[in-house]
Amino acid sequence: DIQMTQSPSSLSASVGDRVTITCRASQGISDYLAWFQQKPGKAPKSLIYAASSLQSGVPSKFSGSGSGTDFTLTISSLQPEDFATYYCQQYHSYPYTFGQGTKLEIK
Amino acid sequence: EVQLLESGGGLVQPGGSLRLSCAASGFTFSSYAMSWVRQAPGKGLEWVSGINYSGVSTYYADSVRGRFTISRDNSKNTLYLQMNSLRAEDTAVYYCAKRQYSSGGGAFDIWGQGTKVTVSS
Repeated sequence: DIQMTQSPSSLSASVGDRVTITCRASQGISDYLAWFQQKPGKAPKSLIYAASSLQSGVPSKFSGSGSGTDFTLTISSLQPEDFATYYCQQYHSYPYTFGQGTKLEIK
Repeated sequence: EVQLLESGGGLVQPGGSLRLSCAASGFTFSSYAMSWVRQAPGKGLEWVSGINYSGVSTYYADSVRGRFTISRDNSKNTLYLQMNSLRAEDTAVYYCAKRQYSSGGGAFDIWGQGTKVTVSS
């Protein structure tokens, strides 16, 4: 199975900040990498697919990059609604696996 | 509007069974692969099972293989997850998710709101 490791596990930031979350795959997954946002008690929301493409309706403050084993999610100009937990997921091969999540909190 | 609506969750005793449903609307359900993803209380997301657009090909996480069965009824626009021999560690919110491309590939783009399953005596 492909292991996905996110860092950091938690992150404190202020409104207006720019933050970066990293995700590492235990083996190469090309660009079969997605990012999701989840708020407490809510379903995950799809943000990015194919490592760097924005899902429809997702603001351009979210950006993704990477290929192979190393990926990043960057969120610019943080707003209160951006504070949530973020997950990466590989869909290169079954079983599809998620990172453990990064909780983004307000400083 | 593209929508997924799960149902069927509830409280079940260890060793019991439950069938979850996911009703799809707003898109051609029969053209898209689907998956189930779960989230135990206070934990992260775990992919559980997937099925191709026709239902011929199915996939499972090791943690549920042999106990859970994914299926679909394209005439009813509905995805199912039959869960047998349930264990306490299966307690979670279960989400269904749609794959992005009608060819069967792509990331998950649409998620349901989830249905809660509690396994306890």
